[in-house]
Amino acid sequence: EAGVAQSPRYKIIEKRQSVAFWCNPISGHATLYWYQQILGQGPKLLIQFQNNGVVDDSQLPKDRFSAERLKGVDSTLKIQPAKLEDSAVYLCASSLSGSRVDTQYFGPGTRLTVL
Amino acid sequence: AQSVAQPEDQVNVAEGNPLTVKCTYSVSGNPYLFWYVQYPNRGLQFLLKYITGDNLVKGSYGFEAEFNKSQTSFHLKKPSALVSDSALYFCAVRGHNTNAGKSTFGDGTTLTVKP
Repeated sequence: EAGVAQSPRYKIIEKRQSVAFWCNPISGHATLYWYQQILGQGPKLLIQFQNNGVVDDSQLPKDRFSAERLKGVDSTLKIQPAKLEDSAVYLCASSLSGSRVDTQYFGPGTRLTVL
Repeated sequence: AQSVAQPEDQVNVAEGNPLTVKCTYSVSGNPYLFWYVQYPNRGLQFLLKYITGDNLVKGSYGFEAEFNKSQTSFHLKKPSALVSDSALYFCAVRGHNTNAGKSTFGDGTTLTVKP
């Protein structure tokens, strides 16, 4: 079974530029998560999708971050414009149904450096 | 609000010795608890979870964790450490007063196993 795929793996941009990350979850997984992991900290949930609907985006900085999952499969996370404090690893995860007992499977992440 | 504490930033053990990585949690209602491992430049990899039932949970690579409700702890253990166990370990919790799939992670513990 293929795992969660993410691209690119690394991205370096200057502040105020835009950037987009892509995620392809495990086939058949209804729930998709985007996490931000700042160096030295645990992952923090940015947004959770159930199929193509948003379940939780309470910690997404909506003035600069946006995400979509148009067909209930792939997802894109965008930052526009980027700030220095957005430097982090962005992790995508998926789970079968989004229930409390579900295991979340993580992709390799995209390491973003904002200069 | 739910929270997780991993009181040790770093744990050092000698190969062949038992290891313990500590985790305490705070959550409303019964907790759902998870351990993940992260190797350099990789995403989080699921190790084990506690949902209900037996307080001792066995997981991948010989790891196990003990759920202690009175101490609100879920410590990760292994009877005999390997050098290849050296990695970053995260504890996570889900509760009943948030979106079902929302995990709150600790800040991680770096485990170093020396030959």
